[in-house]
Amino acid sequence: QVQLVESGGGLVKPGGSLRLSCAASGFTFSDYYMSWIRQAPGKGLEWVSYISSSGSTIYYADSVKGRFTISRDNAKNSLYLQMNSLRAEDTAVYYCARAKSGGTPFDYWGQGTLVTVSS
Amino acid sequence: SYVLTQPPSVSVAPGKTARITCGGNNIGSKSVHWYQQKPGQAPVLVIYYDSDRPSGIPERFSGSNSGNTATLTISRVEAGDEADYYCQVWDSSSDHPVFGTGTKVTVL
Repeated sequence: QVQLVESGGGLVKPGGSLRLSCAASGFTFSDYYMSWIRQAPGKGLEWVSYISSSGSTIYYADSVKGRFTISRDNAKNSLYLQMNSLRAEDTAVYYCARAKSGGTPFDYWGQGTLVTVSS
Repeated sequence: SYVLTQPPSVSVAPGKTARITCGGNNIGSKSVHWYQQKPGQAPVLVIYYDSDRPSGIPERFSGSNSGNTATLTISRVEAGDEADYYCQVWDSSSDHPVFGTGTKVTVL
C-alpha cells in the first residue's frame, strides 16, 4: 500500500535551518510529482512547493521562495525540503503529498511533521 | 493569484444533507478537488475532478461545479463526517495548486 512518511521536524530558532524528508513506498515514486503542503496551527492548508517526477520542474509559493529548496532522490524514493532563514510564520505541520502531474489531485498524503520556529 | 472562498462553518443534523460551497472566479472552467481532514489527521481526497469519488469513499459524497461556485454535498450525514473540508484547484496562471479557506462541518 502507498505510504508517505515525513521526518525531520522539530524546534528551531528564527533564522535557523531544518531539512525535512519524506520516505515513499508502495508505488513507483519516479512516476509522480511530489509536493510539500503545510498547515499552521488552527489554520488552513497552504501549498509550499512541488517538484516534477524527474525533478526538472520546480515551483515555490511566494512565501518561501528563496528560502526553501525542494529536491528528490528517485533512487532512494525520497523527497526533501531544505528550509533556511526560518521565521515564526513558518511554524506548521508539513505534509508531503503525491500527484500524478501538475494539475491532478493529491491522492495520498503523509501524516505530517511539525516544525516549530521559536526562540 | 486565484482565490477560493468557503464558508467557515456548516452545521447539519444527522441524516440530513450538508452542502459546502467553494467560490472562485469562473471556477466552473477549472477542475475542483475536495479533501476531508479530521482532527489530528492528514487530509483525505474525497472528490476529484468535480464529481468523481476515489475508491472507498461512500456514495453519500458527491460534487458539482458550475459558474462561480463548486459544491460538495454530503447526503445522509453521519457523526463520522464531522471534519474540515477543503476545495482545491490548479491555478494555471501561476502554475500551482490553490486551496480554499476550509469549512468546518459540525454534526448536531
